[in-house]
Amino acid sequence: EPEVTQTPSHQVTQMGQEVILRCVPISNHLYFYWYRQILGQKVEFLVSFYNNEISEKSEIFDDQFSVERPDGSNFTLKIRSTKLEDSAMYFCASRLGRGTEAFFGQGTRLTVV
Amino acid sequence: AQKVTQAQTEISVVEKEDVTLDCVYETRDTTYYLFWYKQPPSGELVFLIRRNSFDEQNEISGRYSWNFQKSTSSFNFTITASQVVDSAVYFCAAYAGGGSQGNLIFGKGTKLSVKP
Repeated sequence: EPEVTQTPSHQVTQMGQEVILRCVPISNHLYFYWYRQILGQKVEFLVSFYNNEISEKSEIFDDQFSVERPDGSNFTLKIRSTKLEDSAMYFCASRLGRGTEAFFGQGTRLTVV
Repeated sequence: AQKVTQAQTEISVVEKEDVTLDCVYETRDTTYYLFWYKQPPSGELVFLIRRNSFDEQNEISGRYSWNFQKSTSSFNFTITASQVVDSAVYFCAAYAGGGSQGNLIFGKGTKLSVKP
């Protein structure tokens, strides 16, 4: 069964460092997302990506964040200068089309120290 | 603006009991899509069920069933004969159709504990 895969599963980084979180969405899906979940809290929308561009972003997704789809398969989230409060589980998701369900990767746990 | 509300923070049941998780979705859109996701202790988000605002029937899938009441904007999810493996946080999520790309928004989640 096709699935969304994310790497790494866990990343520890020092404050101020850049991190890149990687995702491979399901191959025929058209819509891609990044979400964040701070430990024990709700799942928060960060950004959506469609037709090779950002379609919407939340207030959380400030200038420190960027996304790319560098080739036909990968979808990355970059945080330029990490802060302690960026520590969270980051989920990538993809879906086929309008009205369909989103499938999530297993998440990358980012710890900023 | 959209809002997903899960009023129940935590529920504890004994195995084999039925349990219903509540969700209310508020939106001005007439077309929208509702979902339930399960997050077990391992942390991943697992899609369970989907319901469209224009669907007429409520459905059952195995031990899961869901009840959508458009008049009250409620989308409740029932697990019949609960099992210990059902212990998880359950998130209700939704997005409105319209012209948006459909960014899923989540409720705060309900933690379900099923005791043997």
